[in-house]
Amino acid sequence: GAGVSQSPSNKVTEKGKDVELRCDPISGHTALYWYRQSLGQGLEFLIYFQGNSAPDKSGLPSDRFSAERTGGSVSTLTIQRTQQEDSAVYLCASSLDGGRWTDTQYFGPGTRLTVL
Amino acid sequence: DAKTTQPTSMDCAEGRAANLPCNHSTISGNEYVYWYRQIHSQGPQYIIHGLKNNETNEMASLIITEDRKSSTLILPHATLRDTAVYYCIVRVQPGAGSYQLTFGKGTKLSVIP
Repeated sequence: GAGVSQSPSNKVTEKGKDVELRCDPISGHTALYWYRQSLGQGLEFLIYFQGNSAPDKSGLPSDRFSAERTGGSVSTLTIQRTQQEDSAVYLCASSLDGGRWTDTQYFGPGTRLTVL
Repeated sequence: DAKTTQPTSMDCAEGRAANLPCNHSTISGNEYVYWYRQIHSQGPQYIIHGLKNNETNEMASLIITEDRKSSTLILPHATLRDTAVYYCIVRVQPGAGSYQLTFGKGTKLSVIP
């Protein structure tokens, strides 16, 4: 079946602009995660959605970052007033049920964000 | 969190088995071992996971020692497309702020023609 998809695949923006990144999870997956990966670095957790529960935003680096998930499916990560340090690959993952710690996360291809 | 230790890099001849080790000596009794890989410029790809029994799927085999302090991921017939960074992860129990996967440095596997 279809995997996790993300759009756009690449985004170049100017410092100070707002950007929106989209994630379409695997159909039927109730849990959705956003991570980012800076060049040569490991994955940094950003936010976690589980069904209709309030999201876990503990990983968001600043209040310029926000995310929403409409209808329990598609998610949008918004970065306001982008800074050069926001340049990274933003990865989305989904899983059947994040409440079970044996749950397997499946990742999308990522969006490469470059802030000039 | 149980931490993992992996070699920084490994080479493997094409067609041979690639054996990637991982140490997780502080693993708790109910924590699973997961393996992911990341091919250059792609998102991480799930490979396999296990608790204490050996596991096999279409991609790989996972051998976990009886004391669960280490494991080995085996790619039975490595191809050039298996060149990637391989991550061994011990999955923490869920709770506030701990649903995420924590990736370490991983092992860069280079499959040589």
